[in-house]
Amino acid sequence: DAKTTQPTSMDCAEGRAANLPCNHSTISGNEYVYWYRQIHSQGPQYIIHGLKNNETNEMASLIITEDRKSSTLILPHATLRDTAVYYCIVRVAGNNAGNMLTFGGGTRLMVKP
Amino acid sequence: NAGVTQTPKFRVLKTGQSMTLLCAQDMNHEYMYWYRQDPGMGLRLIHYSVGEGTTAKGEVPDGYNVSRLKKQNFLLGLESAAPSQTSVYFCASSLYRVGTDTQYFGPGTRLTVL
Repeated sequence: DAKTTQPTSMDCAEGRAANLPCNHSTISGNEYVYWYRQIHSQGPQYIIHGLKNNETNEMASLIITEDRKSSTLILPHATLRDTAVYYCIVRVAGNNAGNMLTFGGGTRLMVKP
Repeated sequence: NAGVTQTPKFRVLKTGQSMTLLCAQDMNHEYMYWYRQDPGMGLRLIHYSVGEGTTAKGEVPDGYNVSRLKKQNFLLGLESAAPSQTSVYFCASSLYRVGTDTQYFGPGTRLTVL
């Protein structure tokens, strides 16, 4: 799986959009970009994933650059409950090699009142 | 749907004791996984299963055994607990489909080995 680079931490004002960047310059053509988050003391939670098109669901939007070397997760109206560590993971979906998720350092997002 | 549930939520063991952690999912997922997470660290895969009756080793399998007798359950056993196994254990499950194999996690079991 391709390596990712994320900022260590970010702050965001409550009610504003949170834009979390991720660099994955060595991504392969069959690798997807996944985002998970982990709220303190809880299990990781899936947010969204995409291959090359932008994606949106009820939680967030995922913007992938045309060359696929970077992406941005957007939480449109951040709330205090969005405070968590956000992980960007690049992997081949449906990979037979155990399907394990490799979590790097992630970005610690602090949403402030 | 309850999703993925884990029992117990907390446990304290003495060195050398044994225990079994239970993971259950009601989403009819084929794949199930056991991870451990040490303080300030990412998740590491212990064992996984691609279907009923099958298991395989992950990244850190030593000291653990697993069984998947029923599709909905995945058990993690510690035969002789060691302080190095103090950790938070997460179970996860997923469908296996090309292009989407999102993993859904349980709430975790906090294990302390004294």
